[in-house]
Amino acid sequence: EPEVTQTPSHQVTQMGQEVILRCVPISNHLYFYWYRQILGQKVEFLVSFYNNEISEKSEIFDDQFSVERPDGSNFTLKIRSTKLEDSAMYFCASSEGQDTQYFGPGTRLTVL
Amino acid sequence: AQSVTQLDSHVSVSEGTPVLLRCNYSSSYSPSLFWYVQHPNKGLQLLLKYTSAATLVKGINGFEAEFKKSETSFHLTKPSAHMSDAAEYFCVVKLTGGYNKLIFGAGTRLAVHP
Repeated sequence: EPEVTQTPSHQVTQMGQEVILRCVPISNHLYFYWYRQILGQKVEFLVSFYNNEISEKSEIFDDQFSVERPDGSNFTLKIRSTKLEDSAMYFCASSEGQDTQYFGPGTRLTVL
Repeated sequence: AQSVTQLDSHVSVSEGTPVLLRCNYSSSYSPSLFWYVQHPNKGLQLLLKYTSAATLVKGINGFEAEFKKSETSFHLTKPSAHMSDAAEYFCVVKLTGGYNKLIFGAGTRLAVHP
């Protein structure tokens, strides 16, 4: 069964450094998403992406964040200058249409 | 504003007994509703979804949920718990009509005892 994959599973970085989280969505899906879950808090929507552009974003998704689909298979989330409060589990998801979203296993980001 | 409230942060049951995980939603429009499950160190797996067809929805692993508009509820049930059901369960709402973002509840951790 096709699934969403994410790398790395765990990323440790220093405050102020740039990080790129990578995702490979399900191959025939057209919509892509990032969510995050800070420890002990709810899963929160960050951004959705369709047709090579952002279709929705939350107030969390400020200028420090960007997304890209650099080729036909990868979908990345970049955080330009990480802060302590960016420490969270980041989930990538994809969907064929605007219905059911399928999630990857997540990347745990730890900012020191 | 749309929101989801999971009424129990922790539920503990014995193996073989019924499971009830409660969820209430708030939405101005016809929502799509989902239950996802997260096992330790795993991703979020879709259990079932409601998208305005039958109000009783059957999912994987014997779970089902009933959409009750009058009560704005979408409770998850299973007749007989199995040890492998121990996980965190999330009730999720999505607006219809062109909106994509999912709104998650806080989660319910289900423990299953022998």
